[in-house]
Amino acid sequence: DSGVTQTPKHLITATGQRVTLRCSPRSGDLSVYWYQQSLDQGLQFLIQYYNGEERAKGNILERFSAQQFPDLHSELNLSSLELGDSALYFCASSVAAGGVNTEAFFGQGTRLTVV
Amino acid sequence: GNSVTQMEGPVTLSEEAFLTINCTYTATGYPSLFWYVQYPGEGLQLLLKATKADDKGSNKGFEATYRKETTSFHLEKGSVQVSDSAVYFCALTIQGAQKLVFGQGTRLTINP
Repeated sequence: DSGVTQTPKHLITATGQRVTLRCSPRSGDLSVYWYQQSLDQGLQFLIQYYNGEERAKGNILERFSAQQFPDLHSELNLSSLELGDSALYFCASSVAAGGVNTEAFFGQGTRLTVV
Repeated sequence: GNSVTQMEGPVTLSEEAFLTINCTYTATGYPSLFWYVQYPGEGLQLLLKATKADDKGSNKGFEATYRKETTSFHLEKGSVQVSDSAVYFCALTIQGAQKLVFGQGTRLTINP
C-alpha cells in the first residue's frame, strides 16, 4: 500500500459528460501529480500541484482541470468527455516539488470508461 | 526534448532465466533514472533508481546501472520468478523538476 488513495476505482460514463476523480496523497506529502495511462499514448504527465499551487503542466487538455485543496487532496475534473478519454488515471504524491532524491508514490488509479 | 525508449515487449521467459530489459534515454540536462513496476490491477511502484552516472540501483534482485556514455539504464535480473510477471517502466526526471517521463512499458511474463 503506497498510502495514496484514489477514488473511485472504476467509472463508466457517457460521451459529453463530466466526471471528477479524487486523490488523497500520502500523509505529509505536499506535491500531487496526475498521469494518464492509455494504450496508444502510454503514461503521460498531466499536471502537478505543490501545496495548493499549480507547479507544472504537461499534456493536459483544455477540457481537463485540476486543483489541490487546503487539506492537500486533489481533484481532476474531466469534462465534455470523448471516447478517447477512456484511460487509467493515476495520482502520485511526493514530499517535495522537485529534487533528485524525492520519490513519487502512486495510487492504484481510476479506470475511466467513456461509452 | 526528454524521452525514454524501452525494448518492445511482450517478453516471455521461463522461471530462473536471465532477464534484460533495455532502456535508453534522451535528456536536456542531467537526469535521474528510475525503473517502476506495475503488477496486475495495481499502481506503479518504484523498483530502483540511480541519480548520477555509474550509480547502480538495485532491489529485489533487479539491477540497473546509469551509463551516461551510452545514455542507457538497462534492467537485469539473474534468475526471474513467476512473481516477477508485471509491466516494467523506465523513466527519468530532470534535476529541478519532479515530473516523470516514462518509456512505453515492457510486459514481462514468466512461465513456471
